[in-house]
Amino acid sequence: QSVLTQPPSASGTPGQRVTISCSGSSSNIGSNTVNWYQQLPGTAPQLLIYSNNQRPSGVPDRFSGSKSGTSASLAISGLQSEDEADYYCATWDDSLNGWVFGGGTKLTVL
Amino acid sequence: QVQLVQSGAQVMRPGASVKVSCKASGYTFTSYFMHWVRQAPGQGPEWMGIINPTGDNTNYAQKFQGRVTMTRDTSTSTVYMELSSLRSEDTALYYCAGSSGYYNYFDYWGQGTLVTVSS
Repeated sequence: QSVLTQPPSASGTPGQRVTISCSGSSSNIGSNTVNWYQQLPGTAPQLLIYSNNQRPSGVPDRFSGSKSGTSASLAISGLQSEDEADYYCATWDDSLNGWVFGGGTKLTVL
Repeated sequence: QVQLVQSGAQVMRPGASVKVSCKASGYTFTSYFMHWVRQAPGQGPEWMGIINPTGDNTNYAQKFQGRVTMTRDTSTSTVYMELSSLRSEDTALYYCAGSSGYYNYFDYWGQGTLVTVSS
């Protein structure tokens, strides 16, 4: 049972916009920034969004993040087949004194 | 470029200990905190703990306290994670990951090491 809650799956057709939610509590998302990781099949997770809404160099601007209260969201616009992957949110938890992850959302491009 | 190269897959018996290594290159080894994150089959990542750049301070997730030890060798730019009293539930991919600060995101990840616990 993950500390952060994500929908297990999401889907969209090429060109569409999809959003993935991440729900937490006051001790984690409510008081710390959120990072998102993309995990392509058979590979290690890779940083996608940091500090709620910042993109590392090389990440297309089709990917965007936001945070409000104890929830965060990842949005992908102009969906492409190569976006098919697992997506995880993560943040620091003050009560647990450690990093916590969501259970992941498997994105399927139809 | 930054690379984290981990040791190979291991099959362990229940009750044994496993030690996984992670060799860094392409950056100043002593400038990065190193984390260990594991991922059981079909599950999300699970943070295990962190070791500071000089190797004299660690913070382990409560779940693993007493069973995990993280160390680093600056002379070889390598970090190690040892997990003892293995049980079947410890079967997972184990990743090392680097961050530039204690509370920073994980910039770089190793390729993962599969540890299988089976009798």
